[in-house]
Amino acid sequence: SAVISQKPSRDICQRGTSLTIQCQVDSQVTMMFWYRQQPGQSLTLIATANQGSEATYESGFVIDKFPISRPNLTFSTLTVSNMSPEDSSIYLCSVSEGTEAFFGQGTRLTVV
Amino acid sequence: AQSVTQPDIHITVSEGASLELRCNYSYGATPYLFWYVQSPGQGLQLLLKYFSGDTLVQGIKGFEAEFKRSLSSFNLRKPSVHWSDAAEYFCAVGGPGGGTSYGKLTFGQGTILTVHP
Repeated sequence: SAVISQKPSRDICQRGTSLTIQCQVDSQVTMMFWYRQQPGQSLTLIATANQGSEATYESGFVIDKFPISRPNLTFSTLTVSNMSPEDSSIYLCSVSEGTEAFFGQGTRLTVV
Repeated sequence: AQSVTQPDIHITVSEGASLELRCNYSYGATPYLFWYVQSPGQGLQLLLKYFSGDTLVQGIKGFEAEFKRSLSSFNLRKPSVHWSDAAEYFCAVGGPGGGTSYGKLTFGQGTILTVHP
């Protein structure tokens, strides 16, 4: 099973700044996925990241706000730009391997 | 568009009691269904999954779930709950189509399980 490491595990950021979250997988994967879990809410898919091409964003999420990089088959970053308190959430990285999706521990972001 | 509903936000049971967590889905074709558990400070862990075949699926930690197409349901059950089962449980649906579909999931709102000693 894939092992996913996310950094940082948590952070407190000032509004108007940006935070880049890193996701490292211990095996090569085609697709990586980024989810957001707002306080008391379920997980919502932000985008799908394919190596070598632009990420595909879900409705309600835009590249200017959540730019994603996918430089190789084991790594991806998600940036939360120009943050506001509404961006306070847990952000999770996920990969699919076989018929199963694996998730990182998540990054707990608080914007003050 | 696909959707998942978990009607119960919070459930409390006594240790040793049976458990059933409800999940209803909306999907235009045969769905791929999953149950995940999220413990405090932990990532999501897959409990079980259904793709096809036997509608009663067994998972880890003594959990099972039954797919009922006529009811569009995929309820999670456990005959005897342990205190360590206290966590948040998420039902999720994905579509057929290959590898990306297993990772591109729609989640329900989650059910928080509290276990009393």
